[in-house]
Amino acid sequence: GNSVTQMEGPVTLSEEAFLTINCTYTATGYPSLFWYVQYPGEGLQLLLKATKADDKGSNKGFEATYRKETTSFHLEKGSVQVSDSAVYFCALPINAGGTSYGKLTFGQGTILTVHP
Amino acid sequence: KAGVTQTPRYLIKTRGQQVTLSCSPISGHRSVSWYQQTPGQGLQFLFEYFSETQRNKGNFPGRFSGRQFSNSRSEMNVSTLELGDSALYLCASSPGWGHEQYFGPGTRLTVT
Repeated sequence: GNSVTQMEGPVTLSEEAFLTINCTYTATGYPSLFWYVQYPGEGLQLLLKATKADDKGSNKGFEATYRKETTSFHLEKGSVQVSDSAVYFCALPINAGGTSYGKLTFGQGTILTVHP
Repeated sequence: KAGVTQTPRYLIKTRGQQVTLSCSPISGHRSVSWYQQTPGQGLQFLFEYFSETQRNKGNFPGRFSGRQFSNSRSEMNVSTLELGDSALYLCASSPGWGHEQYFGPGTRLTVT
């Protein structure tokens, strides 16, 4: 099945700094790709998605571009805020073909802490 | 629309007991998936149900089971609990094939 590798280790930034969280995937075909965010004590929220190569997903100032050449879907934000402190997960469908979004595989998650 | 609700939110059980967790999807959503989240293993897929049928099952022992009712509500059951079953269990719903999932807040299960 498909799999995803996400940069490990917490990320600590000052407010207004630039954020990059790396995500690379291994997949059959070109499945949709997702970034989810988990705030403390809560479930996961869909942050953004891209459904085909070269698509750019964006939401709340976050962006990620589906790059099939490098099999990557890195998350970026130009100026982070304290309220962005959370855990971020890269995900894609487990099955080859990748249209069943009900069975996702997730990266290990990246803890982001933003200081004032 | 109300979001995905999960009950109970917190649960403490003893090794060897069994537990049932409940998930109510967003109104109109027919697909429900369950995931286990632990610090060591991260997020792992448990099951996916659509219209009362289990469509997919993850790599978990037979102690983990689930079902979906005609109103799309879902339950998962874990029998003979082990310490390693302590986790956050997340439920997600979607309208169906090809649609993204919406997650509930989870049930925190602690096995002592």
